[in-house]
Amino acid sequence: QQQVKQSPQSLIVQKGGISIINCAYENTAFDYFPWYQQFPGKGPALLIAIRPDVSEKKEGRFTISFNKSAKQFSLHIMDSQPGDSATYFCAASTRDNQGGKLIFGQGTELSVKP
Amino acid sequence: DVKVTQSSRYLVKRTGEKVFLECVQDMDHENMFWYRQDPGLGLRLIYFSYDVKMKEKGDIPEGYSVSREKKERFSLILESASTNQTSMYLCASSLTVESPLHFGNGTRLTVT
Repeated sequence: QQQVKQSPQSLIVQKGGISIINCAYENTAFDYFPWYQQFPGKGPALLIAIRPDVSEKKEGRFTISFNKSAKQFSLHIMDSQPGDSATYFCAASTRDNQGGKLIFGQGTELSVKP
Repeated sequence: DVKVTQSSRYLVKRTGEKVFLECVQDMDHENMFWYRQDPGLGLRLIYFSYDVKMKEKGDIPEGYSVSREKKERFSLILESASTNQTSMYLCASSLTVESPLHFGNGTRLTVT
């Protein structure tokens, strides 16, 4: 049972374009939603995160949009660059769980063409 | 900078072998995790530990066990390796419940 569903599985975007990756969740107890970025040969690293008390969070070219009623959140990458080519994972967790374990989505392989 | 080190980058084992994957973190983090990464399935949690000698099952613990004798070291054990355990294994650590996970670079295990 996949508690966090991510789409699309792969995405090709031209340099300068907008990349959009979507995630949906079922567990209404989730209250922390991070995005992780993974380059080939490396482990994932935290990119940006949001809590459900805000509908949007922006850090540079990266924005998370959060829709609590729809139980969906998305990552927007503005002015996408070839260096953004990586695999992106959304994730979710509950604040009160022991150890802060994260439930990850299936991942999106992003390729930004020059 | 936090460093999470996994002892092997690539590992090839035979079916039925007992396999040890080692992970060490250098930042005195309380929490440690083992995930496996498979295409189309994302990262799935195998086991985690929030204290020395403590362990909790994740979503897919079957066929695995773990050991945490020291705070900095978290080992994943495949009791009897099977071909369906061929995967990328990622270790991670975090300071608190609300801290980001810091991942190692992974061990790609092939079971033949």
